[in-house]
Parts: sequence; C-alpha cells; structure tokens
Amino acid sequence: EADIYQTPRYLVIGTGKKITLECSQTMGHDKMYWYQQDPGMELHLIHYSYGVNSTEKGDLSSESTVSRIRTEHFPLTLESARPSHTSQYLCASSPLAGATDTQYFGPGTRLTVL
Amino acid sequence: QKEVEQNSGPLSVPEGAIASLNCTYSDRGSQSFFWYRQYSGKSPELIMSIYSNGDKEDGRFTAQLNKASQYVSLLIRDSQPSDSATYLCAVNKGYSTLTFGKGTMLLVSP
Repeated sequence: EADIYQTPRYLVIGTGKKITLECSQTMGHDKMYWYQQDPGMELHLIHYSYGVNSTEKGDLSSESTVSRIRTEHFPLTLESARPSHTSQYLCASSPLAGATDTQYFGPGTRLTVL
Repeated sequence: QKEVEQNSGPLSVPEGAIASLNCTYSDRGSQSFFWYRQYSGKSPELIMSIYSNGDKEDGRFTAQLNKASQYVSLLIRDSQPSDSATYLCAVNKGYSTLTFGKGTMLLVSP
C-alpha cells in the first residue's frame, strides 16, 4: 500500500492567484496521476507521469501544468485560478512493475476559488 | 456510450444482506478492473482488483468478471452500515491509465 501525501488539504483563494498543489509519495512508485472530481461526479484524469521528466495530459482539458523532477514529487500548478477551478484534486500513484495499473490515492485537496 | 457505466443508485439494502454492484465497460481490450470505495468527502480506497474471467473473493467482497459480456460486478456479503459509500468501478485504458465510472451509492440500513 502506498503512502501518498497532499498539501494543502483545503485551500480558499481569490481569482487570478497562482497556486501549487503538492503531492508526494514514499513508495518509489514510478507512475503518478492527478485527477479532478466534482461532487457526485466521476474522476477525470488531468495529468499523469511515467517517471522523472515524463508528463502527459489526460482526458480533461486543463489549464494546469505539472512537473516531475523527482520520483516522489508531482506538483500541480494553476497559473491563474478561476472559480471554474473549484473542485477536489486527487493525486494517485502506481508501481511500474508488479500489479500494474493499481492506483493508490492521496487524501485530496479541496480547492475553492472565489 | 460512456466508457464505464454504473447505475448511480442509491442502492439500499438492509444490514446483513448481500449488496450487488454492477459495471459495464466499452473497451474490449481492457485487461485490468478495479473496485474502489469512496466515502463522502474522502478519496477513493482500493477494495479489489480482478484481471481474469470468473470470481475473486476477499473476505466479504467478491468481484466477478465476464469479459465476453464486458461486465464486472462486486458483491458485498453481510453488508454493514459502515459499507455505506460510493463504489467506483475503474477499467484500464491503454498503458497505465484508468477510466472511472461515476459510481454507485450504497446505503446499508441498520
């Protein structure tokens, strides 16, 4: 089982601010993911990474960016927050080998943009 | 057609009963199937994975997979009020990504 940490857990911020949501995992998992989930709705993949220096866009068009400079760290940045970005952001990780595709989730960051 | 479809519910069962949750998927090439439990306001928690046709049991949970019918289900025996949550079905899409269904809300009444 993975240990995945997300900070902050809750964030209320004004329109136009730049924000970075942090995600770290201690299991050495190569694959990491960012999802967006609105209440009562399905998870939408917004970014993922296969490993260091690898980043891919997911299915959901997003104005966010990600980086993967270290295996354990996968931050997500919004350059200019808007009310439409209000949502829950979930980070997940998965080992490259073994039980492939199994993803383990962090606790999430609930973002509110005023 | 959505890639992963689930009845949104709620599915209401009395305590001690069997809860049956169903999921259909559209991609015949999918090889990995997962059930996650998500309590309100929390993140998804992995319950089971299944990769081969048939049944897979883990405690009170049984996952069933039928690739010919593109159907995967989760049975919860002896349902408890603490099982009340939304259950998400997830199916692999391509290499290393998952597509999630909208989830089925389960309510177990004491």
